[in-house]
Amino acid sequence: GAGVSQSPRYKVAKRGQDVALRCDPISGHVSLFWYQQALGQGPEFLTYFQNEAQLDKSGLPSDRFFAERPEGSVSTLKIQRTQQEDSAVYLCASSLPRRLGETQYFGPGTRLLVL
Amino acid sequence: AQSVSQHNHHVILSEAASLELGCNYSYGGTVNLFWYVQYPGQHLQLLLKYFSGDPLVKGIKGFEAEFIKSKFSFNLRKPSVQWSDTAEYFCAVSREYGNKLVFGAGTILRVKS
Repeated sequence: GAGVSQSPRYKVAKRGQDVALRCDPISGHVSLFWYQQALGQGPEFLTYFQNEAQLDKSGLPSDRFFAERPEGSVSTLKIQRTQQEDSAVYLCASSLPRRLGETQYFGPGTRLLVL
Repeated sequence: AQSVSQHNHHVILSEAASLELGCNYSYGGTVNLFWYVQYPGQHLQLLLKYFSGDPLVKGIKGFEAEFIKSKFSFNLRKPSVQWSDTAEYFCAVSREYGNKLVFGAGTILRVKS
């Protein structure tokens, strides 16, 4: 079946521009995660949704970052007034309903470069 | 806060050599443990996971990992690597009833043919 998809795959933004990154999770997966991966680092947690509810946004680095999942499927991560330090790969992952040890399935990521 | 340490950032091996990648975590409670792999040009894929039971876990492509609770470790092993194992390997931890993954910095493995 189809995996997690993300768009765009690459985005170049000028500093100060707003960007929106989209994630389509695997059908039926109620949990959705966003991670940020800087060059040479492991992914770092940004935020988590269960259906449309954003249950954890403790990893969002500033109030310029905003995520939504209004209908409990597709999610959008929005970054306002982008800065150079926002350059990273943004990964989306989805998983089945919460239970012990569920696996997160990752998408290909969106590589954001802020000039 | 939880943290995950991977001992080596770059490893170079010849084909047929044995592999062991170290992973230590700092969280003292019950954890779920994962190894993910990212092949060149591909997305992160699950290699294996541990959440209970036998501490020796077998995964895909001949990989295995051993959970040693007393050492807070979850090292990845493979007896004989192949050129196709060239990839970046990430260890990750989640809390028993938490979902978010905390990743290590990754180990880039290059296997020379």
